[in-house]
Amino acid sequence: DQQVKQNSPSLSVQEGRISILNCDYTNSMFDYFLWYKKYPAEGPTFLISISSIKDKNEDGRFTVFLNKSAKHLSLHIVPSQPGDSAVYFCAASLYSGGGADGLTFGKGTHLIIQP
Amino acid sequence: EAGVTQSPTHLIKTRGQQATLRCSPISGHTSVYWYQQALGLGLQFLLWYDEGEERNRGNFPPRFSGRQFPNYSSELNVNALELEDSALYLCASSRLAGGTTDTQYFGPGTRLTVL
Repeated sequence: DQQVKQNSPSLSVQEGRISILNCDYTNSMFDYFLWYKKYPAEGPTFLISISSIKDKNEDGRFTVFLNKSAKHLSLHIVPSQPGDSAVYFCAASLYSGGGADGLTFGKGTHLIIQP
Repeated sequence: EAGVTQSPTHLIKTRGQQATLRCSPISGHTSVYWYQQALGLGLQFLLWYDEGEERNRGNFPPRFSGRQFPNYSSELNVNALELEDSALYLCASSRLAGGTTDTQYFGPGTRLTVL
């Protein structure tokens, strides 16, 4: 049973436009959500996170929105740049009485920025 | 500040052998996490260590084990290697901030190939 789902395996966006990556989750106990960017054969790079007590967090070109009632979060990248082409992973975390437990990842969305 | 480091970069073993992978966390981080990224399966949580103790493990057999040393570095051991253990093994570290969730930062990974 996949608790974190990224239903779009790939997304193509023109340079300069907005990229919107979506993520759905099923476990209502998740209390912390993160987005990572990954290039092949490298470790994921942390992008941005959001606590379940917030509905929006912004960092430069990256904004994450959380809709708890819909169990949905999205990552907005504005404007999209060629260097943004990578696989983006949504991840969720459960507080487990002492710290962050292992993250549950979605399968990723391959973002391609077209010139 | 140095990031999470992992060694070796690549490791080739044969079925039935044992593999040992190493990880050094970011300075000041006490928690170390191990993940497996096998082809087509996404990132899956393996083990979580904090203050020298195993805090939690994912859905993996006991032949996946590890430990954390007093300097917070960690070792992942995979015994009786099977072909399907071939994967990218990623280590992440985080700082436990008074029991709240904190961001996990990933190393570059170790590519394990089992022949």
